[in-house]
Formats: sequence, C-alpha cells, structure tokens
Amino acid sequence: DSGVTQTPKHLITATGQRVTLRCSPRSGDLSVYWYQQSLDQGLQFLIQYYNGEERAKGNILERFSAQQFPDLHSELNLSSLELGDSALYFCASSVGRGQKDTEAFFGQGTRLTVV
Amino acid sequence: AQKVTQAQTEISVVEKEDVTLDCVYETRDTTYYLFWYKQPPSGELVFLIRRNSFDEQNEISGRYSWNFQKSTSSFNFTITASQVVDSAVYFCALTPMDSSYKLIFGSGTRLLVRP
Repeated sequence: DSGVTQTPKHLITATGQRVTLRCSPRSGDLSVYWYQQSLDQGLQFLIQYYNGEERAKGNILERFSAQQFPDLHSELNLSSLELGDSALYFCASSVGRGQKDTEAFFGQGTRLTVV
Repeated sequence: AQKVTQAQTEISVVEKEDVTLDCVYETRDTTYYLFWYKQPPSGELVFLIRRNSFDEQNEISGRYSWNFQKSTSSFNFTITASQVVDSAVYFCALTPMDSSYKLIFGSGTRLLVRP
C-alpha cells in the first residue's frame, strides 16, 4: 500500500458529462501529480500541484482542470467527456522538497470509461 | 527534448529463462533520474528502482538487476530465472531536473512468463 488513496476506483459515465476524481496524498507529502494512461497515448503527465499551487503542466486538455485543497487532497475535474478520455488516471504524491520529489508514490488509479 | 524509448513491445519467455528489458533515453540535462516501474494485471504502478545519473554502478536486487550505461543512454533491466508472477508491463521513466520532477515514461514492455 503506497499510502496514496484515489477514489473512485472505477467510473462509468456518458459522453458530454463531467466527473471529479479525488486523490489523498501520503501523510506529509506536499506535491501531487496527475497522470493519464490510455491505450493510444501511454502514460503521460498531466499536471502537478505543490502545497496548493500549480507547479507544472503537461499535456492536459483545456476541458480538464485540477486543484489542491488546503488539506492537500487534490481533485481532477474532467468535463465535456469524450470517448477518447477513457483511461486510467493515476495520482502520485511526493514530499516536494528538492530531490526528494523524485520519490513519487502512486495510487491505485481511477479507471474512467466514457460510453 | 526528453524521451524514453522501450523498443520491445512484448516479450514472451518460459519460466526460469533470463530476460532483459531495454530502455534508451534522451535528455540534454546532465543531472537526471531514471526509474523502472512494474504494472501487474491489477493495474497499480509499483516502483522498482531509481538511479541518479551520477551513479553508473550496476545494481542487483534478488533476481532483478539493472545496467546503467551513460555512454549509450541506456538503462536496461534484467530478470534472472523469471517466474510467472513477473508477468506484467514494465515501464522505464526519466525525471528531468527541473522544478517539477515529473516522470516521462516509455511506452512499456509487456512481459509474459509462461509456465
């Protein structure tokens, strides 16, 4: 058990809908990362938050947004969903201090299916 | 640009065979980290190893060993005496030393170990 909790584990929704994925980082970790794993794009970095602030952005669509709350949990919001958004979404967390950031721990993932 | 290439899409071996998974990376950074992760059929990402670019010593952990060669930009992973439980997708990843420490993943190699 990595200590990173993602909910829900599975989500099935229709095209055009909006969903929210939730991540609770390990206790004490300030950095949260979101990754998307899809069949055509592989595993790719979406966005990172550090202590409530956005730190880095990857190939995240404009229909997607994220935030990190004062209690350090993070949410990834996906809107106007398309079939191609079906993927496994991972959250990872790390301490967030310099090179300690390279020790990222992954949650179990949320499998999103858009029908 | 940073990039990780895992040219082997799928490898199939018989139990007890040794198998090597190849990983080639590209980066202009002089300092970086390299990783291997395992994704079993259950879907979670399991951390296997992290290697600093300054440390070219090979590492052995039980049946697993890693060969890091900076001169050829390769970080290969060998499983000795493979077991059915080693069946999984294995990802090589690179972390550039910018402020985000995000992971850049290769496309993964699916390893099937047959009894």
